[in-house]
Amino acid sequence: AQSVTQPDARVTVSEGASLQLRCKYSYSATPYLFWYVQYPRQGLQLLLKYYSGDPVVQGVNSFEAEFSKSNSSFHLQKASVHWSDSAVYFCALSLYQGGRALIFGTGTTVSVSP
Amino acid sequence: DMKVTQMPRYLIKRMGENVLLECGQDMSHETMYWYRQDPGLGLQLIYISYDVDSNSEGDIPKGYRVSRKKREHFSLILDSAKTNQTSVYFCASSPLWANSDYTFGSGTRLLVI
Repeated sequence: AQSVTQPDARVTVSEGASLQLRCKYSYSATPYLFWYVQYPRQGLQLLLKYYSGDPVVQGVNSFEAEFSKSNSSFHLQKASVHWSDSAVYFCALSLYQGGRALIFGTGTTVSVSP
Repeated sequence: DMKVTQMPRYLIKRMGENVLLECGQDMSHETMYWYRQDPGLGLQLIYISYDVDSNSEGDIPKGYRVSRKKREHFSLILDSAKTNQTSVYFCASSPLWANSDYTFGSGTRLLVI
């Protein structure tokens, strides 16, 4: 069955430091991959998505992610975090272009300390 | 303004009561979803609707049913709520041709006591 694994439940980083959030997927072909962010008491918002082509995708707020087919991974990165990046981050995959639900990982809670 | 609106935001119900969670969207999206979010479990799909009266079970449909009589409105019904249905419920919508373009509501926090 298809699945998404986010091995780190919580990550704490200092403001200005770099951030990497890990995401591994299980699927025999190349899925469509996404990163979402959830701020407190809010719904999820799309950060970036990968369909095909350049394995490094740029997203909003200076986030980027790198797809690796050999490692079945789609890690999220940011060079320098701000306190406002404190949130829960979800990796998700879809098997189809349209009309099918996303499969979400369990999320990684990021806390940015001053 | 493109948005998904969920009502109510907070709800407390007693075990055995019926619960109605409502979701509306103003984007004419064909596809709508209900997820629940629990700590450590991420988001789990309850039901998906492809359009009016075209609904399919998700991964955890037991104890829930849905209704979609208008494209812009999708309801989640809990008949005889149970304490293990305490959760945060999210509604989302997307156009049929691009499921990456999810728009999420702000969620309904349901407490069943």
